[in-house]
Amino acid sequence: NAGVTQTPKFQVLKTGQSMTLQCAQDMNHNSMYWYRQDPGMGLRLIYYSASEGTTDKGEVPNGYNVSRLNKREFSLRLESAAPSQTSVYFCASRRNRDGNQPQHFGDGTRLSIL
Amino acid sequence: GENVEQHPSTLSVQEGDSAVIKCTYSDSASNYFPWYKQELGKRPQLIIDIRSNVGEKKDQRIAVTLNKTAKHFSLHITETQPEDSAVYFCAASMNTNAGKSTFGDGTTLTVKP
Repeated sequence: NAGVTQTPKFQVLKTGQSMTLQCAQDMNHNSMYWYRQDPGMGLRLIYYSASEGTTDKGEVPNGYNVSRLNKREFSLRLESAAPSQTSVYFCASRRNRDGNQPQHFGDGTRLSIL
Repeated sequence: GENVEQHPSTLSVQEGDSAVIKCTYSDSASNYFPWYKQELGKRPQLIIDIRSNVGEKKDQRIAVTLNKTAKHFSLHITETQPEDSAVYFCAASMNTNAGKSTFGDGTTLTVKP
């Protein structure tokens, strides 16, 4: 079991470029989440998918879109990258939408916007 | 929405000493409180969690206590070792609200040999 796999691990973009961050989990989890982590701050929720076929905004959704492609995969898209989106992005999954279970995180994608 | 505050933001202890990190939450409906450890450049990993029907939980050198009335919970690490040096995050979530978790801002723990 690989757990939660994120690609790419590192990416440098120019302002205005677009890209998609990929996330896949092999634990048969129903719920998946995208967070960003900035220095000195905790994990802030961008978007989440409580179950296959549903997506909802989190705390900081502006500038992002998501797709729950199937039960395994949940991608995050930056349509027009801005320097303020420079961050480390973590994908996480949880067995189901009940909040009383831990989340499992991927290794993160380190994204720099020039 | 839920708000989680974590203190202190940095903590430095001598090897062998104890370390305590505290978190407060605002929504009394929160009922699950995990703690994650994040080493430099790595993913956050669960180290211990507690549910609202329990007041204390222990796993070797790590313990978590929960005070539902006061809405705060704490992480206790005893006999600290250099490999305990990391950033620790607390979180709070509830069964409703699609299980979204709210995280504290993290505590950077440094254990000096």
